Order: sequence, then C-alpha cells, then structure tokens
Amino acid sequence: VQLQESGPGLVKPSQTLSLTCTVSGGSISSGSSYWSWIRQPAGKGPEWVGRVYPGGSTSYNPSLKGRVTISVDTSQNHFFLKLSSVTAADTAVYYCAREGLSSGYTLFDYWGQGTLVTVSS
Amino acid sequence: DIQMTQSPSSLSASVGDRVTITCRASQSISSYLSWYQQKPGKAPKLLIYAASSLQSGVPSRFSGGGSGTDFTLSISSLQPEDFATYYCQQSYNSLYTFGQGTKLEIK
Repeated sequence: VQLQESGPGLVKPSQTLSLTCTVSGGSISSGSSYWSWIRQPAGKGPEWVGRVYPGGSTSYNPSLKGRVTISVDTSQNHFFLKLSSVTAADTAVYYCAREGLSSGYTLFDYWGQGTLVTVSS
Repeated sequence: DIQMTQSPSSLSASVGDRVTITCRASQSISSYLSWYQQKPGKAPKLLIYAASSLQSGVPSRFSGGGSGTDFTLSISSLQPEDFATYYCQQSYNSLYTFGQGTKLEIK
C-alpha cells in the first residue's frame, strides 16, 4: 500500500486548506482500515487531525474546533482533508496514513511522504 | 486528552550502545502504545505496537515494554541508521496523541 498527498503548498490566512491523499497498491475499501490525516509542525511531535472510514463515518480532533472535514471517494481510492479559517498555527507537514488493526490494536502502518503547507499572505 | 510525555528529550550515544527511552501517559492506557522512528524529511515509521509487539521487518534490536502509564523503547546495540527521533503514541481512545519526541544523536 502506498499513500501520496497532494495539494497547494501555500494557503492564505482565513482561507481553506484542501489536500488529497491517493491510495495505491490496494483498495481503500478493503479490510477494516480507517484512513487518517496527521500533521506535524516544524520541530514538534505529530498531531492527529482526524479519520474517515470507507463507509463515510468520521471522527476529528476536538482541538480543531469544527474547522476540519474529512471525506472519501472510494471509486477513485482517494480521501480528502479540508481545514477552514486557517492561521499561521496551521502551518505544518501534513501526512495521510492508514490506521491498521492487529490483534485488536490500532496502529499507523502506512504513511504518505508528507506535504508542507504554509499559511501566509 | 491523554498526554504523552517522553524522556529524555534528547540523548547522545555511540554505535554499539544500549539505550532506553521512556514514555509516560497521563492516565492508564493498558498496552495501547506504539513507537515510531522518524528521520529528517521522512514520515514516521512504525516500530512497535501493543507496547511490545515488533512490527514486521523491524530489527530485533528494538524492543518495547511496559503497561498502564509507563513504557520503554530499548535499542540493544545502536547502529548508525538508528540515529533519529522517536515518538510514542497512544491508541487507548480514538483521540490519538503522540509524545513530543526523543532525538537520538551520535556522541
């Protein structure tokens, strides 16, 4: 399984950040995997943003205060991130990742290479 | 949120050394703990899950231990490729959280 993020590298303050994750080497609908977005500001630890199940159910990090929407297109093997009303604090490398399951334990076993999104005017 | 605190924040060691990194959770998380290795400009790589289970393909010099609130990642004999930043992550609830990282540097 390979994941690849794509989208603008520069977003203006107050606008909406939009990213796509393309999954290859396997179907996004196979198994019981969730698909997550994780971001990492420079020099800091990763922060989980949210996830989507192929059926469309989602869960989000409450710290993002309702600004995040994650969706999926199973026909194209893509899932998406939208983050609205961005500020400089949203500048980070954004990763998409597969949330696998092993013996009842969830784990991020496949990651994209990451894409840097800078919020600046 | 469950807070994850790693210590030390940085560590200097030599090739061949044995090192141990600690991760503490703000509440009990049973064994719902993973460890990741990250090299500059790369995505994190899963090393250990369920506190002590080695991910497929990861060298056996890596080992994890602990349960409840206190966990360890040990590397038995450091190799040059092991110098990186290590993160712990809890999956006890679906509001996943990571530690702040431990940077392992060459002495």
